[in-house]
This record gives sequence, C-alpha cells and structure tokens, in this order.
Amino acid sequence: GNSVTQMEGPVTLSEEAFLTINCTYTATGYPSLFWYVQYPGEGLQLLLKATKADDKGSNKGFEATYRKETTSFHLEKGSVQVSDSAVYFCALSFSSGSARQLTFGSGTQLTVLP
Amino acid sequence: NAGVTQTPKFRVLKTGQSMTLLCAQDMNHEYMYWYRQDPGMGLRLIHYSVGEGTTAKGEVPDGYNVSRLKKQNFLLGLESAAPSQTSVYFCASSYAAKNIQYFGAGTRLSVL
Repeated sequence: GNSVTQMEGPVTLSEEAFLTINCTYTATGYPSLFWYVQYPGEGLQLLLKATKADDKGSNKGFEATYRKETTSFHLEKGSVQVSDSAVYFCALSFSSGSARQLTFGSGTQLTVLP
Repeated sequence: NAGVTQTPKFRVLKTGQSMTLLCAQDMNHEYMYWYRQDPGMGLRLIHYSVGEGTTAKGEVPDGYNVSRLKKQNFLLGLESAAPSQTSVYFCASSYAAKNIQYFGAGTRLSVL
C-alpha cells in the first residue's frame, strides 16, 4: 500500500534559522505530493503541492521539490519566523480512482523561538 | 467565507453513549471526508462520500457510520462510543476533479 514517512519531531529552531523537514513516500505509480500545515487550534491548510516529478511547489517562503529518484518531497524554508510554529504534514494522493484519498505522514511539530 | 464547519468543537462521552458529528461545507464540493487524528499517527480516513446519497469506507471505518443526505452535509455517527474512539476528528471536502482538500477546524472527542 501507499505510505508516507516524515522525520520525527518535535523540531525547535531559532528565528531566521534554516528549516528542513524530510518526507519520503512509498507508492505504486506517480502520486501527487502535498504539504499541509496545522496551526494551533485550527484544521489543516494546504501549504504547497507538486503533481509530477521535478516539480517544485512553493508558498510563503516554503519550497519542496518532487524527487522521483529518491521518492522524496522534503520541505525547506530559508529563514523561519515565530509565526511558522505549527505541525506540518506530508501527504500523497492519486488523481485517478473513485476518490481523492490523501495518505498522510505522522506530522512534524515545529516550534520557532524568538 | 465559512468553508468547512464542524460542530460541536468539543464533546465528552461516556462509554456506550452515542453521538453525531456534523460537517457542513458551502463550497458546493462533491467529495467529503471524515478523518481521525491521533498522536504520532497523522490523519487516517474513516469514511468518505463522492456525492449526495453515496458513502464508502476508508482505512478505519469500524465503529462509525456516516450519511450524506444533502450535498453540503456529511454526518459521522458513533452508535456506542468506546475509549479507543477518543481522538480529534476532521472533516474535509474537495471538488471532484481536484486533489486539494479543505479542512474544518476539528472536533475533539473524549470517551471516558
């Protein structure tokens, strides 16, 4: 079956530090890949996505590149802010089939200190 | 701009009690989903619906029932709550032809 593996947290960084959250996947075929973010007390929001190999998704200073050869979709940001403190989920989905089911990783808690 | 609205936000049940969680979306989405979120396990799909009057099982459907009588509403029922159902429940919706799912703020359920 399909699965997503994320680096375990929690991750604590100082403001303006560089962020990497690793994500690898196992799937039959070529899924679409996503990063969702969950701020405290809120539901998940789509942060960025990539639908094919070598695509780069980007939003709010975050980036992730779909690497088919390493089955990875690592999330990066060059300079984190306190407001980036949240839980980050990597996920995959296939665009065919009866539903657009998302398979999530376990989430990585990020805390950014001033 | 309500998006996906879940009610209630919090609930405490005793073992064996029943309850229904309501999800409402105002985006005219065809697909709706119920997930549960447990520590260290990410989100797992309970049931989903691809349109009014249709439902299907997800990864962890046991102990839950759902109904989609109206396109905008998706109900999740617990007939006889168990402590193992203590979790945070999220509803989501999406267009039929796209992968982006929009999530509600969640319902925190404790079963004692």
